[in-house]
Amino acid sequence: DIQMTQSPSTLSASVGDRVTITCRASQSISSWLAWYQQKPGRAPKLLIYKASSLESGVPLRFSGSGSGTEFTLTISSLQPDDFATYYCQQYNSYSGYTFGQGTKLEIK
Amino acid sequence: EVQLLESGGGLVQPGGSLRLSCAASGFTFSSYAMSWVRQAPGKGLEWVSVISGSGGSTYYADSVKGRITISRDSSKNTLFLQMNSLRADDTAVYFCAKGRSQLLFLDAFDIWGQGTMVTVSS
Repeated sequence: DIQMTQSPSTLSASVGDRVTITCRASQSISSWLAWYQQKPGRAPKLLIYKASSLESGVPLRFSGSGSGTEFTLTISSLQPDDFATYYCQQYNSYSGYTFGQGTKLEIK
Repeated sequence: EVQLLESGGGLVQPGGSLRLSCAASGFTFSSYAMSWVRQAPGKGLEWVSVISGSGGSTYYADSVKGRITISRDSSKNTLFLQMNSLRADDTAVYFCAKGRSQLLFLDAFDIWGQGTMVTVSS
């Protein structure tokens, strides 16, 4: 099975900061990676699919990059609404999906 | 409006069974793969199962294989999750989710339901 490892687990930042979250796959997943944002008590929201494609309606300050085994989610200028938990997800494996363990983005 | 609405959660004893439903609206249900994802209290997301648009292909996470069955009824635009031999570690919010593209069996999830809570406890 493909394992997904996110870093850091927790990130403290301020409004206006540029932040980057990393996701590593245990084997190559090409570009079959998605990023989600989840707020407490809510369902996850799709931000990025196929590693770098921005989902419709998602602000342009969100971007994704990478391929193979290493991927990043970047928020160019943090807004108050962006403090949440972020998950990566691979969908390359014929055995199904795997999520990363999550990165909690906190206000510094 | 594209919408998913789960139901069927509740309190069940260890070893018991439960059937979750997910009513879909606003899109051509039979054209998209659908999944169940769960989240234990205070924990991360765990994918549970996926079913193709036709219902002919299914995959399961190792943690639920042999105990859980995913199915769909396209005449009713409804996704199901039959859960048997439930254990305490199955306690979670269960979300249904829609695959983003009609072309891929495995794809990112663009629409999620609000979730239904399953508690396994004596």
